[in-house]
Amino acid sequence: LAKTTQPISMDSYEGQEVNITCSHNNIATNDYITWYQQFPSQGPRFIIQGYKTKVTNEVASLFIPADRKSSTLSLPRVSLSDTAVYYCLACPEQGGKLIFGQGTELSVKP
Amino acid sequence: DTAVSQTPKYLVTQMGNDKSIKCEQNLGHDTMYWYKQDSKKFLKIMFSYNNKELIINETVPNRFSPKSPDKAHLNLHINSLELGDSAVYFCASSQRQDSGANVLTFGAGSRLTVL
Repeated sequence: LAKTTQPISMDSYEGQEVNITCSHNNIATNDYITWYQQFPSQGPRFIIQGYKTKVTNEVASLFIPADRKSSTLSLPRVSLSDTAVYYCLACPEQGGKLIFGQGTELSVKP
Repeated sequence: DTAVSQTPKYLVTQMGNDKSIKCEQNLGHDTMYWYKQDSKKFLKIMFSYNNKELIINETVPNRFSPKSPDKAHLNLHINSLELGDSAVYFCASSQRQDSGANVLTFGAGSRLTVL
C-alpha cells in the first residue's frame, strides 16, 4: 500500500499558483518526500525531494512541516503544459521500494 | 541521448503468446526496475535488480521473468499472455545517493495490448 494520500484531481487556470497537499501520517524516520510528474504517454519524471522544511528548485517548491505528516508541492504560475499527474511518495533513504499511489491529476485551463 | 530506452513502444498480441520487452540505460546506474501501470494509472513495482542481482520481486505471476544480462539492461519476458496483462510497462533505473532517497529515471513506457 502507498504510504501517502493526495487528492485525486485538481483544476487550475494558467498563471495561478497550484498547491498539492500530500498526507503521510505514518512516514518513517528515514523516508524522504519525493514528487514525480507524469505527462500522458510518458514515464514519470522526478520533480523535487525533501526531508523537512522547504526545498526549492527551478520547477517547484516543497514545504514539509516539522511533524512531517504532510507536505505541499507548490507550482508557481502554472501553464497549460503543467497538466499532468503528480505523485507524492515517501521514499526510504538509500534504496528500498518506491511505492506510487494514485497521484493527483492536475488540469490547467486557459 | 535517451537515458532509459525501452523497445517496443507498442505491442499488440494474442492471448497465449510469449513476448519480451527490452530496456537499456546509459546513465551508469546500478539498479533497474520494472513497473506496471494499469488503466487506472496505478504504478506497481514488479521487479528490481541491483548489479544484475534480483532484489525486489513483488507478487507477480511466474509467467513474468526478468533477465538482466548486465547492469545496463533489464529485459522482461512474459509467457502465455492473458487479457489482464494489458498495461503500460515502465522500465526505470536509479543510482545510490550519498544522501536522500534514490531518484528514478523512467523510460517512455511500452504499451502492451493483449487481444
